[in-house]
Amino acid sequence: DVKVTQSSRYLVKRTGEKVFLECVQDMDHENMFWYRQDPGLGLRLIYFSYDVKMKEKGDIPEGYSVSREKKERFSLILESASTNQTSMYLCASKDGLAPNNEQFFGPGTRLTVL
Amino acid sequence: QQPVQSPQAVILREGEDAVINCSSSKALYSVHWYRQKHGEAPIFLMILLKGGEQKGHDKISASFNEKKQQSSLYLTASQLSYSGTYFCGTVGEGSQGNLIFGKGTKLSVKP
Repeated sequence: DVKVTQSSRYLVKRTGEKVFLECVQDMDHENMFWYRQDPGLGLRLIYFSYDVKMKEKGDIPEGYSVSREKKERFSLILESASTNQTSMYLCASKDGLAPNNEQFFGPGTRLTVL
Repeated sequence: QQPVQSPQAVILREGEDAVINCSSSKALYSVHWYRQKHGEAPIFLMILLKGGEQKGHDKISASFNEKKQQSSLYLTASQLSYSGTYFCGTVGEGSQGNLIFGKGTKLSVKP
């Protein structure tokens, strides 16, 4: 059974803290993605990576950075968390960039910044 | 550009049918449909490629009208388990292949 796992389901942090969200996939996929999901806005792409040590900005990268040191692991970093980063964060992975390849999602991390 | 989904929300009784639409202003290569239940990961339903194909699984099917750049998801004889938020994700022609998701359609099926 293929899996994308995220390190935490719920996280509460204080403004200004550095926050790490971890994502691991066991499907040997090249591509990994970080989205944030907000009510009424759908899923918005923050960053993606198509190979180890490679990263590309998505639609809303401001305030975030990422790290991909190993193929199976993709980390999202909030350098200095702010209250407007309170959201649901979803990680996904995909085999190749062919338009007809399925994308697999993790269960999400609900982050609250106080 | 984000595809537009309609309706935003729909409430059904068990056994009723529903249609969810997904429209894009850009030429599309493919449309992906996902369903997400509260607190869970989005689950893949199906992919439609340009060419106007239709696909179906059990009582959920979808079509892709290439001329209109629109896809429709059809839920027939809805069941309680169909409740959730449905997202379409589109891949534009000539794009990197990343999905751009709509805002979602919340479907509630009541007994």
